[in-house]
Amino acid sequence: QVQLVQSGAEVKKPGASVKVSCKASGYTFTSYYMHWVRQAPGQGLEWMGIINPSGGSTSYAQKFQGRVTMTRDTSTSTVYMELSSLRSEDTAVYYCARRQRLETMVRGFPVSYYGMDVWGQGTTVTVSS
Amino acid sequence: DIQMTQSPSSLSASVGDRVTITCRASQSISSYLNWYQQKPGKAPKLLIYAASSLQSGVPSRFSGSGSGTDFTLTISSLQPEDFATYYCQQSYSTGVTFGQGTKLEIK
Repeated sequence: QVQLVQSGAEVKKPGASVKVSCKASGYTFTSYYMHWVRQAPGQGLEWMGIINPSGGSTSYAQKFQGRVTMTRDTSTSTVYMELSSLRSEDTAVYYCARRQRLETMVRGFPVSYYGMDVWGQGTTVTVSS
Repeated sequence: DIQMTQSPSSLSASVGDRVTITCRASQSISSYLNWYQQKPGKAPKLLIYAASSLQSGVPSRFSGSGSGTDFTLTISSLQPEDFATYYCQQSYSTGVTFGQGTKLEIK
């Protein structure tokens, strides 16, 4: 079955970096982009960026530019998200989510839309001195 | 960035009720709007894509409508398992954005 399995919880000190992994299985890894989304305690969902596992190209949210790096290892079907210069506000659950292309008919023509159809279980990152 | 605003932020309802949640985009996003359900301690689940298309396996009591800037998610007859937080998300731009969420609680 299609599955995304993330690495375990992390505790980091302010100023440090964290690298979270997301291992995909059950589908062709290079055929689907992967999003990273985070959720601070009691808060909503915040998009961080996206990576194309095929070529490795990335697009990051402006808020995280310069602090986040997303990479992939096609030999192990794993994507990584590294966040540097951690501060207490980065305490959150970090999710990877597969971008699925979903097609629907509009006025008789197929149109592609994109949704996050499979999610990892989440990785809790705690930043505390 | 495209801002997504949901209303209400929280909602109390009873089993069997019909409920509607609204999502407004800061600019037109055509039908590039998804809805997710999230239960405590769990990852979100895709319910609706393209504003009104039901994701595979999602019960038909969930429906979505709208285009442009105004969208709604409707649950026709609330079931106990529907009490959760719901998020809208635009996929019009590469930098996707979520609404702030609507928490649906039992009355």
